[in-house]
Amino acid sequence: IAGITQAPTSQILAAGRRMTLRCTQDMRHNAMYWYRQDLGLGLRLIHYSNTAGTTGKGEVPDGYSVSRANTDDFPLTLASAVPSQTSVYFCASRGVEDTGELFFGEGSRLTVL
Amino acid sequence: GQNIDQPTEMTATEGAIVQINCTYQTSGFNGLFWYQQHAGEAPTFLSYNVLDGLEEKGRFSSFLSRSKGYSYLLLKELQMKDSASYLCAVTNSNYQLIWGAGTKLIIKP
Repeated sequence: IAGITQAPTSQILAAGRRMTLRCTQDMRHNAMYWYRQDLGLGLRLIHYSNTAGTTGKGEVPDGYSVSRANTDDFPLTLASAVPSQTSVYFCASRGVEDTGELFFGEGSRLTVL
Repeated sequence: GQNIDQPTEMTATEGAIVQINCTYQTSGFNGLFWYQQHAGEAPTFLSYNVLDGLEEKGRFSSFLSRSKGYSYLLLKELQMKDSASYLCAVTNSNYQLIWGAGTKLIIKP
């Protein structure tokens, strides 16, 4: 693993199903983030974690949950997917500095039918 | 509220120069980022400004005026591979990143 890895890269899901998007980084970054990106809109923060064991809600947290059991992993779960959650999801991490650059995963394209 | 404004789309010619503007209104300021995002790919870091002035990095330069809430990204000697979206983001006083919707740059031969 080099950098930050997301899985799956693409998924089609029936509405009502549960889905977990995985995110792993090997840079020992404290802060991690989940964003969704929709056409015409900026990146919108779903949830974040400033350090292992802590999480916080972002701009659009409803319908999503996260956990941060260790430094490397930050999975995002959709408990019961709805069509409005069709989007591209990006996981990102940041070094110890609050003003450091974000490193992004390659994205997970999710379609909810 | 907090918002970042940048043009939705711009068109420029290969070999020319283009300036992409970004204005922001945020609760406090702790730095401004520019990211490049090619279609279907993840954003990648281009530049960071926290003090007023121009930061130059090869063909790309980024300018910041904190008093005006304004930044621009200047791309010189445009190449076809520069066709991408350019995202402006500001870190506010709570160290939250506020993102603009991005500017899609189209380069024509």
